[in-house]
Amino acid sequence: AQTVTQSQPEMSVQEAETVTLSCTYDTSESDYYLFWYKQPPSRQMILVIRQEAYKQQNATENRFSVNFQKAAKSFSLKISDSQLGDAAMYFCAYLSREYGNKLVFGAGTILRVKS
Amino acid sequence: GAVVSQHPSRVICKSGTSVKIECRSLDFQATTMFWYRQFPKQSLMLMATSNEGSKATYEQGVEKDKFLINHASLTLSTLTVTSAHPEDSSFYICSARDVRGLGGYTFGSGTRLTVV
Repeated sequence: AQTVTQSQPEMSVQEAETVTLSCTYDTSESDYYLFWYKQPPSRQMILVIRQEAYKQQNATENRFSVNFQKAAKSFSLKISDSQLGDAAMYFCAYLSREYGNKLVFGAGTILRVKS
Repeated sequence: GAVVSQHPSRVICKSGTSVKIECRSLDFQATTMFWYRQFPKQSLMLMATSNEGSKATYEQGVEKDKFLINHASLTLSTLTVTSAHPEDSSFYICSARDVRGLGGYTFGSGTRLTVV
């Protein structure tokens, strides 16, 4: 079964600085999707960024970018120019086609942004 | 973008009663929806997969008779917590996949259930 590991329970970053959140996963599949979701205090799950496994190019969405290392099964999220509104719980997720298109979530990383 | 509406956002019920939570896809059809449970500061735990026109598929350890799921149309799935007890108090979230998109899932805003 696929597993997703987020080894950082909590991270802190100074406003305007850059922070990287780690995520590793385990799978035997070759075709899959990876996601980062943000869950602010409102608890609404918000999609931050997605990556298709067959694409070698790392996905980027404004201040958010990923470092996707398929061979190493690593999928880290970099947040540049951190803002107070970035404070949230961040979940890394894996979408498995074999597993009925279900999302498998990591344990999450709480990101605190200091002003 | 795809929108999923979930109601109610908060509900308080007495122990022994049943509570229904609705999840609607507003601008797309969803043949499959997912129901999650989340405890404070923890990850989302998949409870079941809701399939339009057929029985839901439950994850191991989830009581089918306790958490009834109905997916009667392409835009509506409901989760009914039957004979609720205080230990059922939790945050419940639904999600659906808009197949027109690039593989992402859209989530409802969640329901905080408190059983007293």
